Amino acid sequence: DIQMTQSPSSLSASVGDTVTITCRASQSIGNSLNWYQQRPGKAPRLLIYAASSLQSAVPSRFSGSGSGTDFTLTISSLQPEDFATYYCQQSYSTPYTFGQGTKLQIK
Amino acid sequence: QVQLVESGGGVVQPGRSLRLSCVASGFPFSNYPMHWVRQAPGKGLDWVAVIWYDGSHQYSADSVKGRFTISRDNSKNTLFLQMNSLRAEDTAVYYCARDLRGVGASDIWGQGAMVTVSS
Repeated sequence: DIQMTQSPSSLSASVGDTVTITCRASQSIGNSLNWYQQRPGKAPRLLIYAASSLQSAVPSRFSGSGSGTDFTLTISSLQPEDFATYYCQQSYSTPYTFGQGTKLQIK
Repeated sequence: QVQLVESGGGVVQPGRSLRLSCVASGFPFSNYPMHWVRQAPGKGLDWVAVIWYDGSHQYSADSVKGRFTISRDNSKNTLFLQMNSLRAEDTAVYYCARDLRGVGASDIWGQGAMVTVSS
């Protein structure tokens, strides 16, 4: 199975900041990497698919990059509603494993 | 609107069975692969299984292989997860999710169904 490792596990930032979350795959997955946001008590929301494609209706302050084994999610100009937990997921091969999550908290 | 609604969750004893259902509406269900993803209390997301749009292929996580079966009834726009030999570690919120065709990402999610395995 492909292991996905996110860093950091938690992150504190302020409204207006730019933050970057990293995801590393245990083997090359091409661009088969997706990013999700999850707010407490809610279902996950797809933000980015295929490493860098912005899902419909997701604000442009979210962006993704990378290929192979190393990927990043960047959130620019943080808004209050962005404070949540973020997960990466590989969809290169089953099982479609998730990273352990990154909790973004208000500083 | 595009919607997924799960049902069938509850409290069950270890070793027993439970079947979850997920009814889809607002999109051509038979055109999309579908997933089950779970989340144990306070933990991260855990992919469980996927089924092809026509039911021809199914894949599941090793942790549930041989115990859980994903299936679908396209005539009723419904996805199922049959869970047998349940264990305490299967306690989680179970989400059904639509596959973003050809990508493997999940773009539409249900609200989740809580399954608690406890004696």
